[in-house]
Amino acid sequence: QQPVQSPQAVILREGEDAVINCSSSKALYSVHWYRQKHGEAPVFLMILLKGGEQKGHEKISASFNEKKQQSSLYLTASQLSYSGTYFCGPSRFNYGGSQGNLIFGKGTKLSVKP
Amino acid sequence: DVKVTQSSRYLVKRTGEKVFLECVQDMDHENMFWYRQDPGLGLRLIYFSYDVKMKEKGDIPEGYSVSREKKERFSLILESASTNQTSMYLCASSASPQGEKLFFGSGTQLSVL
Repeated sequence: QQPVQSPQAVILREGEDAVINCSSSKALYSVHWYRQKHGEAPVFLMILLKGGEQKGHEKISASFNEKKQQSSLYLTASQLSYSGTYFCGPSRFNYGGSQGNLIFGKGTKLSVKP
Repeated sequence: DVKVTQSSRYLVKRTGEKVFLECVQDMDHENMFWYRQDPGLGLRLIYFSYDVKMKEKGDIPEGYSVSREKKERFSLILESASTNQTSMYLCASSASPQGEKLFFGSGTQLSVL
């Protein structure tokens, strides 16, 4: 039950905005966002726990809808340093009767050009 | 700075070989995870462990096993490597059993010939 991310890829010019969506067919316990730059490990950006929550990190913010089935990541006034692949990683609580774990989306590749 | 260290950045093995991928974390985290990353497929969970000597299968455990003898170390074992196991392998750790805020290692690019 991998979450669905859209778009798969996006190309921006510096200063432009982008939105990345992450959808699930079932309500999620939480949603996490990670960014992976080329050749590097994924890095945690933020986590949203509550339906209706919005959270910001510099010019990158995210929302979690009331039903907890969709999250969006907003990148405003993009910079070259925003380039990378963005993953949403909703958690599954009490997976298999034991501890939860994270199932990631396939990722959205963001390229910011000068 | 917190650290998750994977022993090898690049590894080349032959089909049928037994392969060990090692991961060490210095954050005293209970929970550790092994993912593989393939183009177009994203990150897929192989195994995770929430305590020493405890392990749980992820979504793609076939062909893999794990070992967690000490809290800081989590090993991924390919009993008999096959070409379809050529991939980037990422280890991660977390203070939370739900895997909140994962810290990733730099990855091991494994090629099986």
